[in-house]
Amino acid sequence: QVQLVQSGAEVKKPGSSVKVSCKASGGTFSSYAISWVRQAPGQGLEWMGRIIPILGIANYAQKFQGRVTITADKSTSTAYMELSSLRSEDTAVYYCARGDPGYDFWSGYAPFDYWGQGTLVTVSS
Amino acid sequence: QSALTQPASVSGSPGQSITISCTGTSSDVGGYNYVSWYQQHPGKAPKLMIYDVSNRPSGVSNRFSGSKSGNTASLTISGLQAEDEADYYCSSYTSSSKVFGTGTKVTVL
Repeated sequence: QVQLVQSGAEVKKPGSSVKVSCKASGGTFSSYAISWVRQAPGQGLEWMGRIIPILGIANYAQKFQGRVTITADKSTSTAYMELSSLRSEDTAVYYCARGDPGYDFWSGYAPFDYWGQGTLVTVSS
Repeated sequence: QSALTQPASVSGSPGQSITISCTGTSSDVGGYNYVSWYQQHPGKAPKLMIYDVSNRPSGVSNRFSGSKSGNTASLTISGLQAEDEADYYCSSYTSSSKVFGTGTKVTVL
């Protein structure tokens, strides 16, 4: 059974950084991409970027370019999302999501078939 | 990349059918058959309901169906049930990335 388990809630000061982890189990970590999606309070879903763990290659939504870094550790089947220069508007629940491994992970087409439980990041002075 | 456009809310009585639209452009919805739909209950992670425009994952009720015409995709829920009350988001592939819709709150009257 596939599971994505994320790290716990964080409270950060404006201008600081946050790093959220997503540990995968029950599947082959090298056979799919992991995306990060965030949801501000009362708002919709927003795709931030993804990583192909087996290659260590990431691509990011234009909005977050230069401020987000997504990495993966194949040895522990864990993906990470680090967001820097935090501001109040970054207060949100951050989700990791698996791209269905039935697709070519290069393509980016894969729907998100499993999701983490979400990590609330609160940015407040 | 702008969010795909969905109606803010849709409602229906139990047993009725409702349809949620998702409008994009030829660069996303209209350009690829890679539209997905997600259901999200309050405080929960999204759940995949439809992928590749009209395919249902194993375990998803056949009351959920998807379609697409031009730059607009649609999700239809037939035989509406109380448990269908949730937020629904469409998503499309676009230029090596993904874009989500603005979200639709479905209310069962």
